[in-house]
Amino acid sequence: GDSVTQMEGPVTLSEEAFLTINCTYTATGYPSLFWYVQYPGEGLQLLLKATKADDKGSNKGFEATYRKETTSFHLEKGSVQVSDSAVYFCALSDPSGGSNYKLTFGKGTLLTVNP
Amino acid sequence: DTGVSQNPRHKITKRGQNVTFRCDPISEHNRLYWYRQTLGQGPEFLTYFQNEAQLEKSRLLSDRFSAERPKGSFSTLEIQRTEQGDSAMYLCASSPPMETQYFGPGTRLLVL
Repeated sequence: GDSVTQMEGPVTLSEEAFLTINCTYTATGYPSLFWYVQYPGEGLQLLLKATKADDKGSNKGFEATYRKETTSFHLEKGSVQVSDSAVYFCALSDPSGGSNYKLTFGKGTLLTVNP
Repeated sequence: DTGVSQNPRHKITKRGQNVTFRCDPISEHNRLYWYRQTLGQGPEFLTYFQNEAQLEKSRLLSDRFSAERPKGSFSTLEIQRTEQGDSAMYLCASSPPMETQYFGPGTRLLVL
């Protein structure tokens, strides 16, 4: 079945440091890929997405490129801020098994950014 | 656009009791999903509705769980005879066809 493996946390960085959170996936078809973010006490928010190979999703300074050859969708940001502290989830939606577009999530990576 | 809302936000119950959660999706979103998230894990798919039809249920959804979406608008998730293992965050999401899912704030359930 479909699965998502993402970098174990927690990740602790200083403000303005470079961020990478690794994500790889297994899917039977051609999935869409997502990064969701969960701030403390809040629900999941879509951060960015990519729907086909070589697409780059970007939002709020975060970027991720859909790499079919390595089945990866790594999240990057050049300069993190304290306000980026949150849990980040990589997810996929694989319509090949049906039409429901359900999401399969990784376990999440806790990011803490210190001033 | 008020977003996806869920009620209650928190629920504490005793083992063996029944609980019901409500989800109000973004208006005109015909797809509605329920997920469960336990501590330190990512959300796991429970069930999916397209309009009022429940089209898929996960193996995680035991016979004690039932979900409905009458008239294709709000949805309810009921857990009968709750167990301590049911303690989790229950998330609802909605979307238009083939589009991004938008999540509600979740209902946190604690079974004592």
